[in-house]
Amino acid sequence: GAGVSQSPRYKVAKRGQDVALRCDPISGHVSLFWYQQALGQGPEFLTYFQNEAQLDKSGLPSDRFFAERPEGSVSTLKIQRTQQEDSAVYLCASSLVGLIGPRGNEQFFGPGTRLTVL
Amino acid sequence: KNQVEQSPQSLIILEGKNCTLQCNYTVSPFSNLRWYKQDTGRGPVSLTIMTFSENTKSNGRYTATLDADTKQSSLHITASQLSDSASYICVVSAKLDNFGNEKLTFGTGTRLTIIP
Repeated sequence: GAGVSQSPRYKVAKRGQDVALRCDPISGHVSLFWYQQALGQGPEFLTYFQNEAQLDKSGLPSDRFFAERPEGSVSTLKIQRTQQEDSAVYLCASSLVGLIGPRGNEQFFGPGTRLTVL
Repeated sequence: KNQVEQSPQSLIILEGKNCTLQCNYTVSPFSNLRWYKQDTGRGPVSLTIMTFSENTKSNGRYTATLDADTKQSSLHITASQLSDSASYICVVSAKLDNFGNEKLTFGTGTRLTIIP
């Protein structure tokens, strides 16, 4: 079946521009997560949703970052007034949740969006 | 702050040889530990998962160990193949909520290169 998809795969923005990154989770997956992966680093948690509810946004680096999932399916991560330090790969993951056992909450990752801010 | 440290940062071995990657963590409360493989330009893919009570878990040529007392894990790759060239990331989970969601703390990864 289809996995997690993200678009665009690559985005180049001029400093100060606003960008919007899209994530399509696996159909039926309840939870959706956003991560930021700087070059040569492991991904770092940004925020997550349970259906349409954003339950934790403690990892968002500043108020320029905003995520939404209005209908509990597709999610958008928006970055306003982009800065060079925002350059990274933004990964989205989804999980089914609710199944018994550790595999039930396994997160499946999309390919990421590589954002380059000039 | 929750942290996951991995060693070595990079490793080059000949095809067919074995190797072992290390992971130390300070994550609380601990839920489970996973090893992920991440190919260049792709998202991470889970290889193994271990809960607190599990000491070892195998998946084909991959064998992971966990010592919850010392908070250490290792990933052993047997008879390496060219396709094993990738980053291997140790990921430790902490419980986020009562729905079963987890907060993942990632290590920086070990970049493994297999040469013919």
